Amino acid sequence: QVQLQESGPGPVKPSEALALTCIVSNYSITNGVYWGWIRQPPGKGLEWIGSVDRGGFSYYNPSLKSRVTLSIDTSRNQFSLRLTSVTAADTAVYYCASDQGPTSPFDYWGPGTLVTVSS
Amino acid sequence: QSALTQPASVSGSPGQSITISCTGTSTDIGSYNYVSWYQQHPGKAPKLIIYDVNNRPSGVSSRFSGSKSGNTASLTISGLQAEDEADYYCNSFVTNTKLFGGGTKVTVL
Repeated sequence: QVQLQESGPGPVKPSEALALTCIVSNYSITNGVYWGWIRQPPGKGLEWIGSVDRGGFSYYNPSLKSRVTLSIDTSRNQFSLRLTSVTAADTAVYYCASDQGPTSPFDYWGPGTLVTVSS
Repeated sequence: QSALTQPASVSGSPGQSITISCTGTSTDIGSYNYVSWYQQHPGKAPKLIIYDVNNRPSGVSSRFSGSKSGNTASLTISGLQAEDEADYYCNSFVTNTKLFGGGTKVTVL
């Protein structure tokens, strides 16, 4: 079964960049699925950030597109999120997940990691 | 795009059936049969329970069912159980993006 685990550096200061990595286990990241990021501010709902495929093709939430970069590292079987110019509104639990493409659901999820933006 | 609209809360007694609505527009739910539903218990990651409007992944209870009419999708939980108390989110494909609903808290009385 596919397993995903988010990792990141911890608190981020306002105006800096947030960087997270998702390590994929028990499944090759090159096996043709998409890999995505979803976030959830404390006490609020889910928000899709974007998804990337094995070739590096990405599609993004239009509201975040200008600040988001997704990348994939097939040699390490992991994919990454970079969100620039963060504010307190970017404080959230960030989840990585897998899906089969733009029309497909997120079938496997990581446990999530809380990222706090604070000075 | 705006988030899909869900009721903030729905409640029911054990054994009853409840239905959660998810209202979009003619450009999202109304245009595609790519609606999925997720169950989220406190402190846990969401879990996929319905995809493509009315399909259940392997291992998901048959008490969960989905449907769609026009711009509104629905999730029905039959034979409500204590373990069904959780937050539920709908999601729809919209022109190469994915839109979530605001979430519905289900309380088992």
